[in-house]
Amino acid sequence: GQQVMQIPQYQHVQEGEDFTTYCNSSTTLSNIQWYKQRPGGHPVFLIQLVKSGEVKKQKRLTFQFGEAKKNSSLHITATQTTDVGTYFCAGPDSWGKFQFGAGTQVVVTP
Amino acid sequence: NAGVMQNPRHLVRRRGQEARLRCSPMKGHSHVYWYRQLPEEGLKFMVYLQKENIIDESGMPKERFSAEFPKEGPSILRIQQVVRGDSAAYFCASSPAEVSLATTIGYTFGSGTRLTVV
Repeated sequence: GQQVMQIPQYQHVQEGEDFTTYCNSSTTLSNIQWYKQRPGGHPVFLIQLVKSGEVKKQKRLTFQFGEAKKNSSLHITATQTTDVGTYFCAGPDSWGKFQFGAGTQVVVTP
Repeated sequence: NAGVMQNPRHLVRRRGQEARLRCSPMKGHSHVYWYRQLPEEGLKFMVYLQKENIIDESGMPKERFSAEFPKEGPSILRIQQVVRGDSAAYFCASSPAEVSLATTIGYTFGSGTRLTVV
């Protein structure tokens, strides 16, 4: 079955630094979504990418969908303490439901 | 315009008891998804329901777990004879249609129910 993998599992970042988290699917995806879960909270939808090679920006967050539509990345510039949380990518399977990656847990050091 | 409502927020059960978790989708949403999140882990799909219909229960354990979404009222995830390994956060999400239809809606998650089995 479809598998969605994310690396790294943990990301320790100094405030002000940039980092990237990656998402890889075992199958080609029609679209990919990204969610953020704050500690103790619930996942919140951030964005959806649909087109091959698509790039979308939300302030300091840049999301990219690979040309083959099997991978995606999230790049955060000038990390702030508000960026703390776990970032999940999710891709739809053949039934339409979304399979989530294990997430990248981001810890920011002031 | 209430979001996805889950209750209770926290639930403590002794081993062998039953746990009932409730989820009311957003107004206008007819699709409900249940996910389980073990401590420090990702979201694992459990079941996908529409009103009075289970669409996909491939992620549900074969025993002790059941789910329903009646015509009236919330969706219920029921865990019978709970064991310590059932301790987790259970999240419900809803959508107005299959989100694979290239929309930008995404899932709306509830705040979750944190189940602790003692």
